[in-house]
Amino acid sequence: DGGITQSPKYLFRKEGQNVTLSCEQNLNHDAMYWYRQDPGQGLRLIYYSQIVNDFQKGDIAEGYSVSREKKESFPLTVTSAQKNPTAFYLCASNQGVIGNEQFFGPGTRLTVL
Amino acid sequence: AQKITQTQPGMFVQEKEAVTLDCTYDTSDPSYGLFWYKQPSSGEMIFLIYQGSYDQQNATEGRYSLNFQKARKSANLVISASQLGDSAMYFCAMREGRRTGGFKTIFGAGTRLFVKA
Repeated sequence: DGGITQSPKYLFRKEGQNVTLSCEQNLNHDAMYWYRQDPGQGLRLIYYSQIVNDFQKGDIAEGYSVSREKKESFPLTVTSAQKNPTAFYLCASNQGVIGNEQFFGPGTRLTVL
Repeated sequence: AQKITQTQPGMFVQEKEAVTLDCTYDTSDPSYGLFWYKQPSSGEMIFLIYQGSYDQQNATEGRYSLNFQKARKSANLVISASQLGDSAMYFCAMREGRRTGGFKTIFGAGTRLFVKA
């Protein structure tokens, strides 16, 4: 079955440590996205990528970094520069046409202790 | 600037009744798409309905319909015959076409819907 996988589902890290969240899709989608969701809040765009080896900052990119070396993979690194990294992180993808809905992964809940 | 606003943090509806969830947007791009997603307590995101800026008719998908008023820049979701399983967070989203090549997608703050038995 095609879909998006995110691992791990729950992640705990000590303050000051960098951590990388995995996102893999086998839908052959061009575009991939990372969103952050705080409790009871909406999704805020961190980074998005339209094509391999290219990505753009979203609205809250500070303290995060990404890479897009392969079409199916879009890992997100939460760096120590991110002031409040504890949140629910969602990865999404879609074919690069305006009307195509995004497909989402199950999310990773990151807790920084 | 691209912006999505959902002004209703929470809504209550009686089972079997209809409910409207509000969404307004702001964009200078003439080409854009509007989406609604449902997020149950499990956290998964479920796509509900899509409306393109050039679509002449309001979109409908089963019990979901989108009340698209382009001049007012609103894209309200109407859920008919509410069911207990409709209790969830609902998000409105927008994707601009020309300015960002149809890729950047932003979301509103969401509306939590409670369906009462």
